Amino acid sequence: EVQLVESGGGLVQPGGSLRLSCAASGFTFSSYWMHWVRQAPGKGLVWVSRINTDGSTTSYADSVRGRFTISRDNAESTLYLQMNSLRAEDTAVYYCARVRNGNYYFDFWGQGTLVTVSS
Amino acid sequence: QSVLTQPPSVSAAPGQKVTISCSGSSSNIGNNYVSWYQQLPGTAPKLLIYDNNKRPSGIPDRFSGSKSGTSATLGITGLQTGDEADYYCGTWDSSLSPVVFGGGTKLTVL
Repeated sequence: EVQLVESGGGLVQPGGSLRLSCAASGFTFSSYWMHWVRQAPGKGLVWVSRINTDGSTTSYADSVRGRFTISRDNAESTLYLQMNSLRAEDTAVYYCARVRNGNYYFDFWGQGTLVTVSS
Repeated sequence: QSVLTQPPSVSAAPGQKVTISCSGSSSNIGNNYVSWYQQLPGTAPKLLIYDNNKRPSGIPDRFSGSKSGTSATLGITGLQTGDEADYYCGTWDSSLSPVVFGGGTKLTVL
């Protein structure tokens, strides 16, 4: 059974940091590009970041570039998102999602982890 | 403001048909595959349609997708109350963020 399980969310003050994790199981993690997508309360889906299969290529949305860092550990089948200099507008549920190499759609999503940035 | 434009809401009666539009540009929908996602209340998004018109296994044929030029459409026939959800279109983009989504459409089955 394919599973993506996010963790690491919580309440953090503006300017603070958090590290999200996404533990993958039930599939060959190293065959998939991995992405983070977020959803602010009551709002739509917004793409945040992606990483290729071996971790050598990353991309970021303009809104998080320079503050967030995506990484992966294929040996541990885990995806990470290091979030620094957090702002109130980063408050959202963060989903990890997979894209098989060569495809252009998210075929499976995690259940999400809530990040709240507030003083 | 989302890159792809969807109607905020649509509604129809049980058993009826509804369509949801998704409008983009040549840098996204015009030159890339479109996918559709269903998000039931309080849950994560789920893939509904990929590569414009293909259904993953387990998705009933009541759901269909099409694309023409820089627009795409999701169709749902035989509406059921369990179809009440938010629906999002998504695609890749060559000029903006690599991945773009529509703002989402809330489906109400009256």
